[in-house]
Amino acid sequence: NAGVTQTPKFRILKIGQSMTLQCTQDMNHNYMYWYRQDPGMGLKLIYYSVGAGITDKGEVPNGYNVSRSTTEDFPLRLELAAPSQTSVYFCASSYHRGGTEAFFGQGTRLTVV
Amino acid sequence: DAKTTQPTSMDCAEGRAANLPCNHSTISGNEYVYWYRQIHSQGPQYIIHGLKNNETNEMASLIITEDRKSSTLILPHATLRDTAVYYCIVRVAGRDDKIIFGKGTRLHILP
Repeated sequence: NAGVTQTPKFRILKIGQSMTLQCTQDMNHNYMYWYRQDPGMGLKLIYYSVGAGITDKGEVPNGYNVSRSTTEDFPLRLELAAPSQTSVYFCASSYHRGGTEAFFGQGTRLTVV
Repeated sequence: DAKTTQPTSMDCAEGRAANLPCNHSTISGNEYVYWYRQIHSQGPQYIIHGLKNNETNEMASLIITEDRKSSTLILPHATLRDTAVYYCIVRVAGRDDKIIFGKGTRLHILP
């Protein structure tokens, strides 16, 4: 059972480039989340999804886009990379009901230069 | 914004119990209290959760006050591997189930 898988683990982007961070879960969870964590700081919610076809903004959505066409996948898109998007990105998933834990991926470390 | 307040950092001697407090004075009746920890730069790891009653598992115990406005995570015999940032989160499952992290408590286990 792989859990939550994020790819790539590391990436260096030039300013203005675009990329997609991939997130896949094999636990049939309907809730999925994207977070960013800047050095020495806590996690900030970027976007989340309560099921296929449904996405909502979190605390810091500007500069990002998401889609959820399947239960398993929740990709995060950066259209015009900026140095302020240098961060570690975490994806998570959970069931939709109270009293259930969220599972996190191991993160994608992104540097924009 | 996060609905919890935690101390910025705490120290605990190795082998002793680590007691991490969390204030959640605005918690609603259907919100659970969750604890996660993040070791170095890894993804957060689930520890324990509860609604009203105290809970215990192989990692920790969770004590929730009767009015549910605060809770304490207890690591009974702290080891150096418990050095991490611990996050207390309140969460309700529903249409707007955003998991919002606060700043957490940085726990240092001292040898």
